[in-house]
Amino acid sequence: DIQMTQSPSSLSVSVGDRVTITCRASQSISSYLNWYQQKPGKAPKLLIYGASSLQSGVPSRFSGSASGTDFTLTISSLQPEDFATYYCQQSYSTPLTFGGGTRVEIK
Amino acid sequence: EVHLVESGGGLVKPGGSLRLSCAASGFTFSTTWMSWVRQAPGKGLEWVGRIKSKTDGGTTDYATPVKGRFTISRDDSKNTLYLQMNSLKTEDTAVYYCTAEGSSSSWVYFYYWGQGTLVTVSS
Repeated sequence: DIQMTQSPSSLSVSVGDRVTITCRASQSISSYLNWYQQKPGKAPKLLIYGASSLQSGVPSRFSGSASGTDFTLTISSLQPEDFATYYCQQSYSTPLTFGGGTRVEIK
Repeated sequence: EVHLVESGGGLVKPGGSLRLSCAASGFTFSTTWMSWVRQAPGKGLEWVGRIKSKTDGGTTDYATPVKGRFTISRDDSKNTLYLQMNSLKTEDTAVYYCTAEGSSSSWVYFYYWGQGTLVTVSS
């Protein structure tokens, strides 16, 4: 199984801050990497697919990038509605696997 | 508008069985790959399994922890996805989400999500 290691597990930030979340795959997954946002009590929402493609309707302050087996989700200027938990997920092969999540909290 | 509505969750004893259903509307269910994803209380997301569309073979894949105990099926005439869960364990306690997979070029992702149904396995 492909392991997805996400870091940090949590971070405290302020509105307007730049946020970077990293996800590392245990083997090559090309760009088969997706990012999701989940708010408490709600289902996850797709943000980024194919490592860097922004899902329709998602604000442009969200971006994704890849370098080998390392993937990054960046929020350029954090807004109040962005406080949530973020998950990466590989779609390269089954079993499909998620990272452990990164909780973004208000400082 | 897309809707995925799960049902069938509840309290079940260890070793028991439960069947979840997911009623889909607003998209072409028959050609869509469908997955179940679960989330234990206070924990992260875990993929449970997938069923492909019949045009793509209708085959299923499962996560290791549920292989041999859970079965995913679909009834395209009713636009409904099912998850039959047998030999349930306390560690199967979670909110179970039904998801519709989307694709763009070769990228596959969980596009639509239901609201989730809670399964509690406890004596």
